Amino acid sequence: QQQVKQSPQSLIVQKGGISIINCAYENTAFDYFPWYQQFPGKGPALLIAIRPDVSEKKEGRFTISFNKSAKQFSLHIMDSQPGDSATYFCAATYNTDKLIFGTGTRLQVFP
Amino acid sequence: GAVVSQHPSWVICKSGTSVKIECRSLDFQATTMFWYRQFPKQSLMLMATSNEGSKATYEQGVEKDKFLINHASLTLSTLTVTSAHPEDSSFYICSARDFDREDTQYFGPGTRLTVL
Repeated sequence: QQQVKQSPQSLIVQKGGISIINCAYENTAFDYFPWYQQFPGKGPALLIAIRPDVSEKKEGRFTISFNKSAKQFSLHIMDSQPGDSATYFCAATYNTDKLIFGTGTRLQVFP
Repeated sequence: GAVVSQHPSWVICKSGTSVKIECRSLDFQATTMFWYRQFPKQSLMLMATSNEGSKATYEQGVEKDKFLINHASLTLSTLTVTSAHPEDSSFYICSARDFDREDTQYFGPGTRLTVL
């Protein structure tokens, strides 16, 4: 019940395309859902986050879509760029407790 | 804002020695810090939660006597890997929770530990 399932494991997108990464959770107590971007040899960097009272949040080219009834949330990267090539992790937490991470998605954007 | 630093960024040590890794929140106070371990191409594995002024809470399976955590101030937490062995070689990452920014966790750049 503590798991966050993330898919796909890897994703190849052409420059300018849309990258979509999906996550699903079981614990309905989760109340905060961040996405992190990690480059090789670096720590994760917060990209965007959402709370369950909102169905969508957009920041620049990055959008989180949240479906509370389905217990799913996804990250959309519009106009994907080679510089977006990284590993992306979704996560969930509740009551300011520890983060539960997804397994990660390795995104490669080709020119 | 919300910058977390780690030192050192990489360290090589001999088997049997101890290594200390520092994690600092540079522009905010963090009553709670977290220590993670990450193996190549895998997700982050939480090792322990560190609260300022109190003992750390370790995740199941993490040896508290091997991975000593100290959170002596609101901006500094340390992880000491005692009697390191080659299997302790990994990427160690800390994070700090910023209560003023919706409890968001901000991560440090990580420390690559190699034990020979």
